[in-house]
Order: sequence, then structure tokens, then C-alpha cells
Amino acid sequence: ELKVEQNPLFLSMQEGKNYTIYCNYSTTSDRLYWYRQDPGKSLESLFVLLSNGAVKQEGRLMASLDTKARLSTLHITAAVHDLSATYFCAVVEYGNKLVFGAGTILRVKS
Amino acid sequence: EPEVTQTPSHQVTQMGQEVILRCVPISNHLYFYWYRQILGQKVEFLVSFYNNEISEKSEIFDDQFSVERPDGSNFTLKIRSTKLEDSAMYFCASSDYSRTTEAFFGQGTRLTVV
Repeated sequence: ELKVEQNPLFLSMQEGKNYTIYCNYSTTSDRLYWYRQDPGKSLESLFVLLSNGAVKQEGRLMASLDTKARLSTLHITAAVHDLSATYFCAVVEYGNKLVFGAGTILRVKS
Repeated sequence: EPEVTQTPSHQVTQMGQEVILRCVPISNHLYFYWYRQILGQKVEFLVSFYNNEISEKSEIFDDQFSVERPDGSNFTLKIRSTKLEDSAMYFCASSDYSRTTEAFFGQGTRLTVV
């Protein structure tokens, strides 16, 4: 059974600082996703990572994937308040079933 | 931009009643999913549906639950005899047939069982 672990579960950061969220998963998978969720809202797709060494960037967020280590990171550069949300990684187990991590609640303080 | 739409956005029901949550997936998508998120917890897979049948289901998806694609556009989740612990946000998602595709999520239906 695939298990997905995220850490930290809660992250409070000052504006302008950098930080990394980690996502570890327990068995081989060929796809990993990062989603953002605002309170009471749906899941917004941020990144799809398909292969070892994949790196994708959008604005202040950069995601990477190391399939050998079964690790993905979501790096936040120079955080701004608008990035405050909950971030989930999700890994495809088989077929198209997604297994989600517990989520990281990010609060950016000005 | 195409999107997955869900109705209603919020449903309140008495314990023991049946509810039907409705979803309209993106029109050219072939895979459909239901996930749920209990307040403050992670998103959990319930069921996936392809070619008019269930392709996978989780332990949560027991005989209390059923899914249906009654016509060419709607995808429904029926919960029979609701329990308090069924209170959650239910998300519908859809994806196409490509390996590289992502699942697009609807805005969710918040189900409250009282």
C-alpha cells in the first residue's frame, strides 16, 4: 500500500523568506502532483512531475522529483502573503488513483 | 477553460437519509473519480469509474455508496442511509486517457449530516 508523507504539516514563514516542503512516498510511482487548496475551496493543480530529475517552476514555487529517493520537494522563494494556503502532494498508486499526503498548512506573515 | 462542476455546493441532510451528489466532468474526459475530505484532514480516494464501470474503489466505498453515469454528461455519487461520519467535502474529478494527464477537480460539495 502506497503511503505519502509530507512535512512539515504546518509552516509559518515571514514574507521574503525561503522554505521547502517535503513529500516522501513509499513505493514506485510514475507521477506526482502538487495541489494548492484555499480554505473551503477546491484543489488547484500546481505541478505534474513525471520523471526522475523533473523540475518545474511557476512564479515563486519550484517543484522537483527524485524517483530513486521517492522524494519530491516544493520550494518557496521569497514568500508573499498570497501563498498562504494548504499544499498537498499526491502520488499515483496505480491506474489513476491518487494517494494524497496530509497537507502542509502554509501561513506567510507580513 | 473547461471545468468540472458539482452540485449542490452544500447539502444538509438528516442522518439515515439518502443523498445524491452530482458532477459534470469535463466533456472529453473518460475517467471519473470521487474523493472526500473530512474537515481538516487529507483528501481520500473513494472510487474511479471508466467505461461505465467502477475500475477501482477504496475500503471506504462500501455498500452504502454507489456511482452512476446516468447520461452522457453527469456522474453521480449516491450515499444511502447517511451517517454523521459521512459529513465531509466530496470532490469529483475527471481526467482523459493520457498517462501524462492530471485529474481536474470540481469545487466540491460540502455534505453535512445532522
